[in-house]
Formats: sequence, structure tokens, C-alpha cells
Amino acid sequence: GQNIDQPTEMTATEGAIVQINCTYQTSGFNGLFWYQQHAGEAPTFLSYNVLDGLEEKGRFSSFLSRSKGYSYLLLKELQMKDSASYLCAVQASGGSYIPTFGRGTSLIVHP
Amino acid sequence: DAGITQSPRHKVTETGTPVTLRCHQTENHRYMYWYRQDPGHGLRLIHYSYGVKDTDKGEVSDGYSVSRSKTEDFLLTLESATSSQTSVYFCAIGTGDSNQPQHFGDGTRLSIL
Repeated sequence: GQNIDQPTEMTATEGAIVQINCTYQTSGFNGLFWYQQHAGEAPTFLSYNVLDGLEEKGRFSSFLSRSKGYSYLLLKELQMKDSASYLCAVQASGGSYIPTFGRGTSLIVHP
Repeated sequence: DAGITQSPRHKVTETGTPVTLRCHQTENHRYMYWYRQDPGHGLRLIHYSYGVKDTDKGEVSDGYSVSRSKTEDFLLTLESATSSQTSVYFCAIGTGDSNQPQHFGDGTRLSIL
């Protein structure tokens, strides 16, 4: 089985930088996704990491360390619209590549 | 946006009644999934399909059944709804390739009284 851990809630200030951590334990690792989900809406894809290191996409970056079972999502120049839940999802190796989702981190951005 | 439509979007029903939720896609993706999302639990996989008439159980499949008679449609049935099945249900589609994300429908809010 898999165990995925994320903080339940974080708060940050508009314009600041925030890092949302995800730690995982899995019997085999294939890749890790980050999704964003605004309240009452569907999750939408943000990033995918399969190799160690940092992947940058505009204001959002995602980091992976496979040896430590650790990933983070870095959000820069925070905007009010970044208030949402951020879901970490881990793919185990072998089989159907269906990811297992963490419980999500609710990010509140205030002025 | 990925072409995924869930129906109904909202439903209120009584304990013991049957309920069917529909997911329709226009992307011709091989894989379709049903999740439920509850506070404190995140997204949990109920059932998934990897082709027409090919389905398998997920983490929380008890009390649910699914059918896929066409590539574009994936139905989730609660044979006899219980209050514990009150939740938001999301359908997702995907290619099944390891580096490709899932795309989610807008969800169905189901309340069982």
C-alpha cells in the first residue's frame, strides 16, 4: 500500500512564496502528480515529476527526491486566486499507473 | 477543457433507493475512473475501467457497481444507497500512460437522507 502525507492547511500572504510539502511511502515509485482544486470545482493538473530535481512552470515549481520519498510544490508571487486545495498523487510502479491521492492541502492566501 | 460530462450534477435521494451516476467523454480515452471525495479523506478510487466491459475495483468499492458498454460512457450505480455514501463523486479519464495526468469532470454532489 501507499501512505501519503500533506499538511492539512496553510496560510500565506499575497505576493509571498509558499512551499507545500508531500511525503510518501510506497512499495515502488513511478511518478508524482500535483493537482489544484478550487472549492466546488474539479481538480486540474499542475505538474508531474518522475526524476529527482526541480520542474519549473511559471510561478509554480515542483521538486522531487525519490530517495527521501519527498516532494514539494512551490508557489511564487502568490495571488488571491491561488487560494485552493493542492493535491499530491503518487503512482506506484507496475500495473495500471493509477495514482493514489493524498488528503490535500488547503491554501488560504490573504491580502 | 477535456470533454467530460457528469450527470446529474446534484442529487438528493433517500436511503435504500438505487442511484446511477453517468460519466460521458468525448476524448476516446481508454481509461475511466470513479472517485469519491470526502472531507479528511481526499480523493478515493471506487472503480475504474480500462476498456469496454473491462472494469476493476478500487480502494472503496463496497456498495458500488460500474458498467462500461461503450468507450464514451461509464456508469456508477449505488444499488441501495446509504447515508455513508453521501459525497462528491468525480469521474476522471486518462490514456493510462504513466506520464499522462487524469482529467476530471465537474463532479456530482450526492446527498442521501
